[in-house]
Amino acid sequence: QKEVEQDPGPLSVPEGAIVSLNCTYSNSAFQYFMWYRQYSRKGPELLMYTYSSGNKEDGRFTAQVDKSSKYISLFIRDSQPSDSATYLCAMTPNTGNQFYFGTGTSLTVIP
Amino acid sequence: DTAVSQTPKYLVTQMGNDKSIKCEQNLGHDTMYWYKQDSKKFLKIMFSYNNKELIINETVPNRFSPKSPDKAHLNLHINSLELGDSAVYFCASSLSGRRTDTQYFGPGTRLTVL
Repeated sequence: QKEVEQDPGPLSVPEGAIVSLNCTYSNSAFQYFMWYRQYSRKGPELLMYTYSSGNKEDGRFTAQVDKSSKYISLFIRDSQPSDSATYLCAMTPNTGNQFYFGTGTSLTVIP
Repeated sequence: DTAVSQTPKYLVTQMGNDKSIKCEQNLGHDTMYWYKQDSKKFLKIMFSYNNKELIINETVPNRFSPKSPDKAHLNLHINSLELGDSAVYFCASSLSGRRTDTQYFGPGTRLTVL
């Protein structure tokens, strides 16, 4: 079983829709959770990060962590065509510097 | 100015060859990383270097060897290339290697082994 599971999609939504992207994980030691956005043929770029459980909002993006369910989400409100990319979740445990990535969800926002 | 750069962008080579990929960062960061992303977009860390010292080495074959001449450069040398080495290799850097530090990724090197 992989440390981090993520539905690869693809996910296709109309412009303006609310998008929900999710990851589950198995290691209860994970404490720090990140979302990366990767455009086609580019390197990933950090979008948001959260520490432990709770919500964090940044503009149209909201990251949510539910440690009891080992489940994290990224919500995108008022989605735009420029949001079309692959979104990767990543997480690290409480100690050490290991990073574990999901396989990424491919999102297309249709104008 | 490009923060993290990699060369070459594309690399096509035959099985059994030896090749190197170069990475440079101009962010003044102390830690650099190499990741491998397979065809299913799965991103897996291979190595990281902090102040010229290897601090992570995931279960990577010893055909892969990172070399860091200084803290701004981390090159990846691959011996005896195999078909399964075909992937996109990303270099990244972060300020000090702490898990809370943002990692900045390069544009990737797409390696194809024939």
